[in-house]
Amino acid sequence: NAGVTQTPKFQVLKTGQSMTLQCAQDMNHNSMYWYRQDPGMGLRLIYYSASEGTTDKGEVPNGYNVSRLNKREFSLRLESAAPSQTSVYFCASSEGHRGTMSTEAFFGQGTRLTVV
Amino acid sequence: AQSVTQLGSHVSVSEGALVLLRCNYSSSVPPYLFWYVQYPNQGLQLLLKYTSAATLVKGINGFEAEFKKSETSFHLTKPSAHMSDAAEYFCAVYTGGFKTIFGAGTRLFVKA
Repeated sequence: NAGVTQTPKFQVLKTGQSMTLQCAQDMNHNSMYWYRQDPGMGLRLIYYSASEGTTDKGEVPNGYNVSRLNKREFSLRLESAAPSQTSVYFCASSEGHRGTMSTEAFFGQGTRLTVV
Repeated sequence: AQSVTQLGSHVSVSEGALVLLRCNYSSSVPPYLFWYVQYPNQGLQLLLKYTSAATLVKGINGFEAEFKKSETSFHLTKPSAHMSDAAEYFCAVYTGGFKTIFGAGTRLFVKA
């Protein structure tokens, strides 16, 4: 049982380059999320998808776009990377109990992104 | 506005000693509260959660947390630390809809 799988695990980009972070879950969860983790700041929500076909902005959406490709997959795209986007990115999923995130979230292992 | 404050970015204990990681929250609605653990180079995994069923919540690996409404606290404890408990711990509060707010994290060091 793989849970939540993220690719790649590591990436170095030059300023201005673009890339897409991939995420897939095999738990049949309705809701998926992208977070970034920075030292001393906990996790901050970038975008989320409450259910297949919907996406919404979180706390720090600027500079990012997302696609909920199907129920399993939720990708995060950086169109023009900036050094401020150097971070560890986590994808997560949850059942979305009664349309909420009140149930626990399951996390991928993260993507460590460096923008130089 | 809802928020989560974890007191102490780093906590160091000796093996066998009590572990106490502090978390205070603010929420305008009855909260759902979580503790997650993150081992090096891994994602977060759930330790335990409070959903109003009982104020003392038991989790995995011998951890437990007590919800105290009067103190708006949800501190995490373990009677006897083990070397394998060394990790970063995050307190989180569910704030409604699809929003969960995470604290800044507390890194636990366990000395032999």
